[in-house]
Amino acid sequence: ELKVEQNPLFLSMQEGKNYTIYCNYSTTSDRLYWYRQDPGKSLESLFVLLSNGAVKQEGRLMASLDTKARLSTLHITAAVHDLSATYFCAVNGGTSYGKLTFGQGTILTVHP
Amino acid sequence: EAGVAQSPRYKIIEKRQSVAFWCNPISGHATLYWYQQILGQGPKLLIQFQNNGVVDDSQLPKDRFSAERLKGVDSTLKIQPAKLEDSAVYLCASSLDGLAGGPRTGELFFGEGSRLTVL
Repeated sequence: ELKVEQNPLFLSMQEGKNYTIYCNYSTTSDRLYWYRQDPGKSLESLFVLLSNGAVKQEGRLMASLDTKARLSTLHITAAVHDLSATYFCAVNGGTSYGKLTFGQGTILTVHP
Repeated sequence: EAGVAQSPRYKIIEKRQSVAFWCNPISGHATLYWYQQILGQGPKLLIQFQNNGVVDDSQLPKDRFSAERLKGVDSTLKIQPAKLEDSAVYLCASSLDGLAGGPRTGELFFGEGSRLTVL
């Protein structure tokens, strides 16, 4: 059974600081996704990582995938309050696209 | 482009009652999913449709949950009878995957969800 673990689960950051969220998964996969969820809202797709070594950046967020280590990272640079949200990684471990196994989520709070 | 539409947004019922949720995916998306998100957890897949056929329903509690996607567009998810542990947000998602010649990224686009409270 595929297991996806994120850490930390809670992250309180000061504005302007850098930090990294880690996503480990238990079985071979080369398809990993990052989503953002604001309170009471749905999930917004942030990054789609489809191969070993994939790196994608959007604004202050950068995601990478190491399929050999079964690890993805979401790096936050110079955090701002607007980044406060819950971040999920999700892994597709099967042959069928869309059957995603999600991590527990990381609740990020950015304060002045 | 219109997103994934879901209704109702909120529903409160008593245990043993029934409830139904509706989803309209993004136009042209062949694949539709229902996920269950319990408070404080990541979403969990319940069922996956490609067009109007079921691809995966291995995690759907079939004794009480049912879903259909008639005509390969809209979908409904029904729970009967509801239990306390069914309290959750039911998220519908869609993707382009499954269309012949279409992109194969596995990227899902989620609706805003239907929040169910079972008392």
